[in-house]
Amino acid sequence: GAGVSQTPSNKVTEKGKYVELRCDPISGHTALYWYRQSLGQGPEFLIYFQGTGAADDSGLPNDRFFAVRPEGSVSTLKIQRTERGDSAVYLCASSLYRNNEQFFGPGTRLTVL
Amino acid sequence: SQQGEEDPQALSIQEGENATMNCSYKTSINNLQWYRQNSGRGLVHLILIRSNEREKHSGRLRVTLDTSKKSSSLLITASRAADTASYFCATEDYSGNTPLVFGKGTRLSVIA
Repeated sequence: GAGVSQTPSNKVTEKGKYVELRCDPISGHTALYWYRQSLGQGPEFLIYFQGTGAADDSGLPNDRFFAVRPEGSVSTLKIQRTERGDSAVYLCASSLYRNNEQFFGPGTRLTVL
Repeated sequence: SQQGEEDPQALSIQEGENATMNCSYKTSINNLQWYRQNSGRGLVHLILIRSNEREKHSGRLRVTLDTSKKSSSLLITASRAADTASYFCATEDYSGNTPLVFGKGTRLSVIA
């Protein structure tokens, strides 16, 4: 595609529910990143994929958060037992290789009631 | 954790004026990048400056880097209303093997 796309653009859920957020990177980009951005803050790194493998998941806040990229393209960020503190904009980015310019998607705004 | 600290947090200027935003960071870096974000959604990469570079230009953007002071500045010349956005610096550490670390951003408002 022309750019990184993310679905849904907005997600409202209730505390305790499970959510999945999807990212479609730019075709051919081997590196994919997930970030979380709270209001008034900069993006905070969650996880980085090189191909199909999670090369760095040091930013995941706890074991309720998990992400996959089974075929080295589309990635899904999964959050179990959502909490109100999980409310944020979740941003995905891709780059041709690591350390190249990152291209960001429009984000998914997650609201946990 | 966030390494970069942008200064000021918010800046309001008239169209046509220049806007200067500063970024300070804490550790040794491989490069420093500036991004723009409209309406709290996707970020757009503006410019990357490597640790061995001191100044870089792109259109109306001028970025400087002072590694001895661990600081960078972004200058937007002849600002336009369309430049209204949040601007973030992000650093990649010297190893190149750690994630980008973003600052909290500067909110720029350009008044027509």
